[in-house]
Amino acid sequence: ETGVTQTPRHLVMGMTNKKSLKCEQHLGHNAMYWYKQSAKKPLELMFVYSLEERVENNSVPSRFSPECPNSSHLFLHLHTLQPEDSALYLCASSQDPSGGASTGELFFGEGSRLTVL
Amino acid sequence: LAKTTQPISMDSYEGQEVNITCSHNNIATNDYITWYQQFPSQGPRFIIQGYKTKVTNEVASLFIPADRKSSTLSLPRVSLSDTAVYYCLVGLTGGGNKLTFGTGTQLKVEL
Repeated sequence: ETGVTQTPRHLVMGMTNKKSLKCEQHLGHNAMYWYKQSAKKPLELMFVYSLEERVENNSVPSRFSPECPNSSHLFLHLHTLQPEDSALYLCASSQDPSGGASTGELFFGEGSRLTVL
Repeated sequence: LAKTTQPISMDSYEGQEVNITCSHNNIATNDYITWYQQFPSQGPRFIIQGYKTKVTNEVASLFIPADRKSSTLSLPRVSLSDTAVYYCLVGLTGGGNKLTFGTGTQLKVEL
């Protein structure tokens, strides 16, 4: 138990569906992240939210839409995905000083395994 | 961003000490070195972090030479449950900084 909970753990969707991944952290952290891990590839950083503001969008296609309503919750809205988007989507959180970089440890959830048919 | 290079895979036996070395030639002055462990279908888990010299905790040691262009993760007396991918990261989190994962080192421990 890392203090970061992701739901659903598994999701199968068609290319025309709209679904959302949810992440909740119970650690009181102020930064949250979405990573994508495809088979046999390194983790790819997708989005970073610091103090509920998006500070990083790593050239992610618009069919992925993040939302951070508060410091404890992070969503990834999915629509018109492609089969190559099938991957493990990982959420993480960390505690960082306001507006600054830190050595904050990343706490990851167990991931949401997405399959796009 | 400091790029890291690690061996793709390593094999070991139970009870042995395993040393995984990571190269990061363009590490910046403010960068820290952090190692994570990842089991299949799980998120990475923090192992250890350091800036220079040696750091030790209950699961591992981290050796960093004076020039900081490399680092070595040392796992004492590994067991089957240490079979995992180990990632070396260089940088800082937060504030818009990107902390990127490389390909990692797949450690396989056998009896």
